[in-house]
Amino acid sequence: DVKVTQSSRYLVKRTGEKVFLECVQDMDHENMFWYRQDPGLGLRLIYFSYDVKMKEKGDIPEGYSVSREKKERFSLILESASTNQTSMYLCASSLWGPHQNTEAFFGQGTRLTVV
Amino acid sequence: GNSVTQMEGPVTLSEEAFLTINCTYTATGYPSLFWYVQYPGEGLQLLLKATKADDKGSNKGFEATYRKETTSFHLEKGSVQVSDSAVYFCALSNSGGSNYKLTFGKGTLLTVNP
Repeated sequence: DVKVTQSSRYLVKRTGEKVFLECVQDMDHENMFWYRQDPGLGLRLIYFSYDVKMKEKGDIPEGYSVSREKKERFSLILESASTNQTSMYLCASSLWGPHQNTEAFFGQGTRLTVV
Repeated sequence: GNSVTQMEGPVTLSEEAFLTINCTYTATGYPSLFWYVQYPGEGLQLLLKATKADDKGSNKGFEATYRKETTSFHLEKGSVQVSDSAVYFCALSNSGGSNYKLTFGKGTLLTVNP
């Protein structure tokens, strides 16, 4: 069974803390993604990576960074958490290649609250 | 750029009612189209997809047809069940080069009452 696993379901952090959200996939996928999900806004892409050590900004990268040191792991970093980063964060992965075949698989999400 | 517009929710139906959730898109070229579903407390999972014009995707009684002339991919189900209560997202992919990115609509919350 294919799997994308996010390290935490719920997190509460203080303003100004450095926060790490971890995501691991066991499908040997090249592409990995971080989205945030907010009511009324749907899913918005923060960053994605198409290879180890490679990354590209998505639509809302400000305040975030990412790390991909190994193929199976993609980390989202909030350098200095702020209350407007309170959200549901979703990790996803997919195969590299023609987009017709590249279904994305999602983790269960991490609900982050910044107080 | 790419964009997806889907009908605003929430949608509330009785069991066995007919469901339509409208989705239209803007994209260059020939995107692939998807419907994802998110059950309470879970991540998204693919419901169905269509990769070219006039293709029909289907799964679990849900269907959607890729209409290029109207740039639409409406989701339908003939008889909904309580277990279909979830948030439904329409999405497209239109990769530049070989990378794959999804553009999502805002989601439609469906509640089915017994």
